Amino acid sequence: GQNIDQPTEMTATEGAIVQINCTYQTSGFNGLFWYQQHAGEAPTFLSYNVLDGLEEKGRFSSFLSRSKGYSYLLLKELQMKDSASYLCAGMDSNYQLIWGAGTKLIIKP
Amino acid sequence: DTAVSQTPKYLVTQMGNDKSIKCEQNLGHDTMYWYKQDSKKFLKIMFSYNNKELIINETVPNRFSPKSPDKAHLNLHINSLELGDSAVYFCASSTGTGDAETQYFGPGTRLLVL
Repeated sequence: GQNIDQPTEMTATEGAIVQINCTYQTSGFNGLFWYQQHAGEAPTFLSYNVLDGLEEKGRFSSFLSRSKGYSYLLLKELQMKDSASYLCAGMDSNYQLIWGAGTKLIIKP
Repeated sequence: DTAVSQTPKYLVTQMGNDKSIKCEQNLGHDTMYWYKQDSKKFLKIMFSYNNKELIINETVPNRFSPKSPDKAHLNLHINSLELGDSAVYFCASSTGTGDAETQYFGPGTRLLVL
C-alpha cells in the first residue's frame, strides 16, 4: 500500500533549527512535496524534490533520499510565524499526491 | 486577486440535505482537485479533473459528484449529507501538463452536518 509517515508534533525554540522527517512508500515515485498549513488555512507549497540531495530555499531546505524512501524539511532561524503544520506528500506513478497527516510544529519564545 | 477561491467558507446544514460547494481558479490551470481533510488532518483526494479526464477516488461515495461548467470551475455537489461528511473540503488546481506539478489550494470550506 501507499503510506506517508511523519511525526505528529514537534516543539522548537525561536531562533533554533528543526528537522521534520518523512518516510514514504508510494506506487512509483514522481517526487516529494512539502507544504505548510497554518491553522484554519489552506496548505501552501514549500518545496519539491525528485532527485537525491538537498534543495535550499532561504531559511527552508528539503532533502531527499530515494533509496531510503526518506525526506526531511529543515527550518533554520525559526520564527514564531513558522508555527504551523508541515505536510509531506509523495507523488505516485499516476501523479497523484499521497499525503501524510502533517507535523504540527510549535515554536516557543 | 485570489488564485483559487471557494464558496462558502462555512456551511452548516442538516443531515439528509443536498448542498454544493463552488470552486474557481484564475490561474489558467487545466487540472482541478477536490480534497477532504478530516479531523485527523489527513488530506484525501476525492477527485481530479481536467478537460480530458475525471479521476475518481474509489472510496468516495457516489453521493459526491463534481461538476465542471468550464475549466476554471469545479463545483462539488453532495447529496443526502451524513454526519461523517463533516470536514474541511479543499479545492486545488495545477497546470495539468502531466508532470509533477505544484498544486495551489483554495481557502477551504468547513462543512458541519448536524
